Amino acid sequence: EIVLTQSPGTLSLSPGERVTLSCRASQSVSGSYLNWYQQKPGQAPRLLVYGASSRATGVPDRFSGSGSGTDFTLTISRLEPKDSAVYYCQQFGRSPITFGQGTRLEIK
Amino acid sequence: QGQLVESGGGVVQPGRSLRLSCAASGFAFNTYTMHWVRQAPGKGLEWVALVSSDVSIKYHADSVKGRFAISRDNSKNTLYLQMSGLRSEDTGVYYCAREQNLRGSAFFDDWGQGSLVTVSS
Repeated sequence: EIVLTQSPGTLSLSPGERVTLSCRASQSVSGSYLNWYQQKPGQAPRLLVYGASSRATGVPDRFSGSGSGTDFTLTISRLEPKDSAVYYCQQFGRSPITFGQGTRLEIK
Repeated sequence: QGQLVESGGGVVQPGRSLRLSCAASGFAFNTYTMHWVRQAPGKGLEWVALVSSDVSIKYHADSVKGRFAISRDNSKNTLYLQMSGLRSEDTGVYYCAREQNLRGSAFFDDWGQGSLVTVSS
């Protein structure tokens, strides 16, 4: 099983700032199968980025993904209050599908 | 974008059974692989099971293997999760999700709103 470790666990930032979230895999993951989701309280997860760097439909260009092998990042530029959420990475390349434990982002 | 609506959750005693349903609409349900993903209270996401579009492939997470069974009825556009031998650690919100394959990538592009299952005596 591929274990995904996200860091940091929690962070609190101000509107307008830029943040980079990390997702490290225990084994190499094809970039085609590394995805990022955003989940707000009481809601289902929402796809943000697929294939490591492709933005999903309707996702603002403030969100960008990158990485390869075992290290992937999600960068959010110009933070807005509505970006407060938990962010999860997911690998789809090897069974079982696994998720990271999540990074909780608070916008002050 | 389609719509996925789960139902069937509730409070159940340990060891008992429950069946979740996920009604799909607005897309060609019979052409998509479908999944169940769960989330324990205050915890992260855990993949549970998948079934291919033609029902020929089914996989279950080790944590539920032998106790849960995923199935689908393409004539009814409905996905199911039959859960038996329920344990307290099965408590959580259960989401159905649609698998999308695009440009060599695979991901969940559509999720239901979730159905809460509480296993408690």
